[in-house]
Amino acid sequence: EVQLLESGGGLVQPGGSLRVSCAASEIIFSSHSLSWVRQAPGKGLEWVSTISGSDNTTYYADSVKGRFTISRDSSKNTVYLQMNSLRAEDTAVYHCAKHSAAATVFDYWGQGTLVTVS
Amino acid sequence: DIQMTQSPSTLSASVGDRVTITCRASRSISSWLAWYQQKPGKAPKLLIYKASSLESGVPSRFSGSGSGTEFTLTISSLQPDDFASYYCQQHYSYGLTFGGGTKVEIK
Repeated sequence: EVQLLESGGGLVQPGGSLRVSCAASEIIFSSHSLSWVRQAPGKGLEWVSTISGSDNTTYYADSVKGRFTISRDSSKNTVYLQMNSLRAEDTAVYHCAKHSAAATVFDYWGQGTLVTVS
Repeated sequence: DIQMTQSPSTLSASVGDRVTITCRASRSISSWLAWYQQKPGKAPKLLIYKASSLESGVPSRFSGSGSGTEFTLTISSLQPDDFASYYCQQHYSYGLTFGGGTKVEIK
């Protein structure tokens, strides 16, 4: 069964740091790329970052480059997003999403974890 | 980054209506375009990828078309479960980008 469970959200002051986690079922973690996609309250979807399932190559949106770092721990089937120098505009629900095998699209999503920067 | 523009931002329709949503890319993305449905408080659901490929389990009343810079999502006969927001996403290149969304409301 495909499972993605995010955790670690919360309230943080501007300029602060936070790490959110995504625990994935093993069948996902071992062979698929995983991404973080965020949604500010009442707003649309914004892709944040991706880590490749094959070679750990990472990609970032310009809006977070240099501030956020994505990583994965194979022993825990978990992907992390370390967020530094947080700004009010980073306030959003952060979803973990699995990439489809067919294309760079997201076929399974977690329910998300809310990060509030205030 | 490639900019994605959706229209309309809001659409009012009735059950049984044929509904079309448009998505335009700032430059050609070939057929690398996906569509998602999102209901309030829920995660998005993949409907279509590669412009016209229907994701497994998605009803056949949903269809996608287009290539290059202009794409459409069509719902052939709107059902009560279809009132939701819809987003396009280009999967041509990183940074991946979404359209601003279209909310389909009950008329």
